[in-house]
Parts: sequence; C-alpha cells; structure tokens
Amino acid sequence: DQQVKQNSPSLSVQEGRISILNCDYTNSMFDYFLWYKKYPAEGPTFLISISSIKDKNEDGRFTVFLNKSAKHLSLHIVPSQPGDSAVYFCAAGVSNAGNNRKLIWGLGTSLAVNP
Amino acid sequence: EPEVTQTPSHQVTQMGQEVILRCVPISNHLYFYWYRQILGQKVEFLVSFYNNEISEKSEIFDDQFSVERPDGSNFTLKIRSTKLEDSAMYFCASSWTTGGYGYTFGSGTRLTVV
Repeated sequence: DQQVKQNSPSLSVQEGRISILNCDYTNSMFDYFLWYKKYPAEGPTFLISISSIKDKNEDGRFTVFLNKSAKHLSLHIVPSQPGDSAVYFCAAGVSNAGNNRKLIWGLGTSLAVNP
Repeated sequence: EPEVTQTPSHQVTQMGQEVILRCVPISNHLYFYWYRQILGQKVEFLVSFYNNEISEKSEIFDDQFSVERPDGSNFTLKIRSTKLEDSAMYFCASSWTTGGYGYTFGSGTRLTVV
C-alpha cells in the first residue's frame, strides 16, 4: 500500500540549475508533508515541511509546493549545488492523529548534482 | 544543535539472539519513534511512544519487538529472537510537538543478522 509515492528513483542535474523532486500521495487525511535528505550511513535530516493550509513554503534555496487537489507536492532546489547530492525522501502524516505522529515515507529519489 | 544519539552504529548478531538497540532522544522531546529501512526499500514505521506507553505500532512490530524508556533519557528497541529478515538500518527519532514538526532522527544502527 504505497500511500506516498516518489516515482523517480533518480535525478541528475547540472550545478546551478533547478532540481525538481516530485511526490504523490493517495491518503486525503494527510495534512502535513516533509522532505528529508539522507546521505549514506546517516539518518534522514529534516529539510523543509508544509502543512495542508499552505500551497508553498520557502526556505533559502528550497521551496516546497503543495497541490492538494492533485495530491502532489514537489521540492525545488535553486540553484543546485554538488553538496545537494543525496537521497531525498518525501514523508506525510496526519496532525490530529492523537499521540501518534508516525510518518509515511516514499521510496526516495537519489539526486546527483554534477559540477 | 541537539541531536538524537544511537548506539551502536553497527551490530552483528546470530539468528535467534536478542539485541537491544539504544537511543538517547533530544532531552525536551515528548514523542519517540523507531523506524527501519531494509536495504533498497522504503523507510518503515515500527512504533511510536508517548507518555511511557506505545501510541501505535505497525504490523512489523510483533511480539518479538519491545520498546522501553527505562530511565527518562534512553529509549531502547529490543528484538527478542532475531531473524535474518530483521537485518536493516534502524532509526530512532524524537519530536517535541504534535504535527510532525521538529522530528529529528538519529544516524541509525545497522543491524546485520547472520
């Protein structure tokens, strides 16, 4: 049951260009979404999040867009840097789920930024 | 910056043995979690813990698994009798608030069952 889908396992972009990572979800109960970045042999690192009351959230070079009607979100990285090369995970949750704050994860997209 | 600490970073154990994975969450966090990632697969939720009890557990978290917060700082995951398919990267996480924000992961314990 893939409630969160990242259909592109990998993406390669040139340094300085825009990286766009996509994520789709099926569960309409999800009302907050997070992007995590993961390097090999490390835990996921929080990058940026968005709640369902917004359609855009920006933090420096990172912007997340949410299209609720399409159940789609995307992460834009502008400009891309070689240090951004990592696996990016999309995760989603339900904020009013009592004391449980579990996140449902996509499979991840491996981003390679080439110098 | 506060971090979630996991030990050991790598654990090798024989099938059928018990293992305890240890985590020290961020001190003012209230919600604690274990996730795992089998090589090449997605990160999967195992269990969430709040107010000294399990809030939710997944179907993976069967009777072989247990969690404890024995002393107010450590948060442990015990696997009673390990199986080959328990080999994975296990991540501990903690958060301070509802809604998923401030959700911080440890760097993981790689468990290898031989």
